[in-house]
Amino acid sequence: DTAVSQTPKYLVTQMGNDKSIKCEQNLGHDTMYWYKQDSKKFLKIMFSYNNKELIINETVPNRFSPKSPDKAHLNLHINSLELGDSAVYFCASSLIRGEGANYGYTFGSGTRLTVV
Amino acid sequence: QQQVKQSPQSLIVQKGGIPIINCAYENTAFDYFPWYQQFPGKGPALLIAIRPDVSEKKEGRFTISFNKSAKQFSLHIMDSQPGDSATYFCAASMGGGATNKLIFGTGTLLAVQP
Repeated sequence: DTAVSQTPKYLVTQMGNDKSIKCEQNLGHDTMYWYKQDSKKFLKIMFSYNNKELIINETVPNRFSPKSPDKAHLNLHINSLELGDSAVYFCASSLIRGEGANYGYTFGSGTRLTVV
Repeated sequence: QQQVKQSPQSLIVQKGGIPIINCAYENTAFDYFPWYQQFPGKGPALLIAIRPDVSEKKEGRFTISFNKSAKQFSLHIMDSQPGDSATYFCAASMGGGATNKLIFGTGTLLAVQP
């Protein structure tokens, strides 16, 4: 199936721990994103990468560090987790350049992070 | 100026009704206006999108109406069905290239009663 896949789907961890979320897309898109959805369902962009290059960094704490080993993968590592980091994190991708570029995002199913 | 305001926060309609969700924006540089549908436990999925050079776009039972002068756009769902019950988000973005980012509205929880 062509999709954006994220792992894990659920993550429960204690304050102060470090955790990672992985994302992969097989759509041939050139740009990937991390969005955070809070308890009120508000979606806010955190980062974007275009062909492995960091493009958007929306004043996210330094504890969050994205990494893109190639244009099909975008991971999110979070250090020293805090209670306020509890949210659903969505990975998304889009095709920005070239034939078929249309800016429509394809989202993964999300990772529900709970910090206790 | 980067905000997209969405209303109502929640909406209940009977099956067959026509729910209407409204969004407003300030930044006239926005040039792409999509709507996303999100079911519980799933990611948002692109439903329909419009660019400001047209005033209306229809795809199946979903219609976007766009008023450029008022800086408003809305989603209409014709002949709504219980399966349409979901959270709907409007969004806006500007420009081409890799700096493009979607700014989302606050979402509308739609319940279609049988």
